[in-house]
Amino acid sequence: EVQLVESGGGLVQPGRSLRLSCAASGFTFDDYAMHWVRQTPGKGLEWVSGINWNSGSIGYADSVKGRFTISRDNTKNSLYLQMDSLRTDDTALYYCAKDSRRYTYARGSFDIWGQGTIVTVSS
Amino acid sequence: EVVLTQSPVTLSLSPGERASLSCRASQSVSSSYLAWYQQKPGQAPRLLISGASSRATAIPDRFSGSGSGTDFTLTISRLEPEDFAVYYCQQYGSSPLTFGGGTKVEIK
Repeated sequence: EVQLVESGGGLVQPGRSLRLSCAASGFTFDDYAMHWVRQTPGKGLEWVSGINWNSGSIGYADSVKGRFTISRDNTKNSLYLQMDSLRTDDTALYYCAKDSRRYTYARGSFDIWGQGTIVTVSS
Repeated sequence: EVVLTQSPVTLSLSPGERASLSCRASQSVSSSYLAWYQQKPGQAPRLLISGASSRATAIPDRFSGSGSGTDFTLTISRLEPEDFAVYYCQQYGSSPLTFGGGTKVEIK
């Protein structure tokens, strides 16, 4: 079964850091680009960051650029999001999503999604 | 950044009726890199359509996508009870990737 399982969410104070993880199974992880997408309560979807198969192509939303870092470990079938200098408006449900393509993060739709991990930034 | 505007925000229809959802882009979406997703309460989004008109695996043929350039449409030919949900369009042709604000299809 193709599956993505996120972890690492929680309650954190503004200005602190958090690292999210996404464990992939049921498909050849290094054949695909991967993404993080977030959703605030009752609101829509926001793409956060994407990474191609070999980490050679990476992109970020302007709202997180310079604060968040996406990475992947193909030997562990895992995707990560290092979130630094967190702000209250980073509070959201964070999804990991599989891209339908490999070579760049900006040419494929998101065909598999995890169930998400909740990040709450509050003092 | 490509801004996607979805309309209407809410669509109130009865089962069996036809639904037409619009997604308009602020600039042309390259090579029709436009997708549609369905999201039900408490669930992750699910891919319905990619490339503006190609149904994803296991998506019923009552769902269809059309359009190009800046104007795209998702049509549900006959609404089933399980189709009442929120629908999002997304462009993935240029960075930053962007989503529309969503259309909620609710039971009338």
